[in-house]
Amino acid sequence: AQSVSQHNHHVILSEAASLELGCNYSYGGTVNLFWYVQYPGQHLQLLLKYFSGDPLVKGIKGFEAEFIKSKFSFNLRKPSVQWSDTAEYFCAVFSGTYKYIFGTGTRLKVLA
Amino acid sequence: DGGITQSPKYLFRKEGQNVTLSCEQNLNHDAMYWYRQDPGQGLRLIYYSQIVNDFQKGDIAEGYSVSREKKESFPLTVTSAQKNPTAFYLCASRTPSGANVLTFGAGSRLTVL
Repeated sequence: AQSVSQHNHHVILSEAASLELGCNYSYGGTVNLFWYVQYPGQHLQLLLKYFSGDPLVKGIKGFEAEFIKSKFSFNLRKPSVQWSDTAEYFCAVFSGTYKYIFGTGTRLKVLA
Repeated sequence: DGGITQSPKYLFRKEGQNVTLSCEQNLNHDAMYWYRQDPGQGLRLIYYSQIVNDFQKGDIAEGYSVSREKKESFPLTVTSAQKNPTAFYLCASRTPSGANVLTFGAGSRLTVL
């Protein structure tokens, strides 16, 4: 069965600190990988995605993620967070079964 | 503007009643999804549909039903068989193959009294 695990449920950082959020998935076939973000009071929106090719992908607002196939991981990173990055972050997997599965989410709070 | 419209935004229901949540999209997407969002549990897939007149159960389909009679519409019925229906419900549609990005609606919050 397809599943996604996010290990950090709540993260609190000061501005300018570096961020890394873990995501692991289980699925034996080809997948598309995503990170979505939900800012307070806003719709879920795409942060970045990986389909194939360069395993290091860049998204909006300075975020990036690295796909490591051998570890079934797709961790999200940002070198220096800002107060405006306070949000909930979701890792997601889409596979050939057409199921689109999300992780449990990570609430990030950035202190000004 | 293209997007997804969910209604109602807030809904209160008495135990034992069925309720239907509306989801309409004007993005011309074939695939649509329903999720339930609970604190600490992320988004859990209820039902999904790839094309009109076809849909599949997700991971937590028990107590829910859907229909897909039109491309634009994918309503979700929360039945009295759903044991814990109080939650935030999100509808999404997926861009065609090659992109596979979800566009979400604003959500519907259901409270059972």
